[in-house]
Amino acid sequence: SQQGEEDPQALSIQEGENATMNCSYKTSINNLQWYRQNSGRGLVHLILIRSNEREKHSGRLRVTLDTSKKSSSLLITASRAADTASYFCATGGGSYIPTFGRGTSLIVHP
Amino acid sequence: GAVVSQHPSRVICKSGTSVKIECRSLDFQATTMFWYRQFPKQSLMLMATSNEGSKATYEQGVEKDKFLINHASLTLSTLTVTSAHPEDSSFYICSARDSVGYGYTFGSGTRLTVV
Repeated sequence: SQQGEEDPQALSIQEGENATMNCSYKTSINNLQWYRQNSGRGLVHLILIRSNEREKHSGRLRVTLDTSKKSSSLLITASRAADTASYFCATGGGSYIPTFGRGTSLIVHP
Repeated sequence: GAVVSQHPSRVICKSGTSVKIECRSLDFQATTMFWYRQFPKQSLMLMATSNEGSKATYEQGVEKDKFLINHASLTLSTLTVTSAHPEDSSFYICSARDSVGYGYTFGSGTRLTVV
């Protein structure tokens, strides 16, 4: 069954703007991962945040994790047209098998 | 970095035929690989967990006789869609846990169209 649920389902912004996507999950986790998928392609692992971490940065990406609210957010700063893709969160429990939400479809207009 | 190669990227087959999809870990050994199915604009649904040298573990609702998985070596897992029907048309993606941290490396996916 699905674990993470992303919000919003679709996001359309202009280049240079920031994009924020949220992910909510239901059960306890060991870690949460964000992935990116370009249309018709496989997934690319972006960042992993462990349950004892609250915030993590990687380039223009900033991920936060609030285990009390069972939620995470992915912020892409200074977005580019090349950031257009679908973004998924996946939670890893004891088995560490990623369980995905429906994803957020991000469109960045040049 | 860890690379997973998946072939073919696209395949069109006739109803009733079988199609094999290969998933290879190129620079690491993957004792466990995973197969997902994705419908258009939908999430990835885990189909099965493939363990090297043993039988795959299928998720509830996935027909093991329909989707044959073989993981004969530490670098290769195959998914065979047997007696394919149009409803099997989908995007299939494999993944393997890479050797660094807990990230998973995904293949580029296979677009299967059954006509």
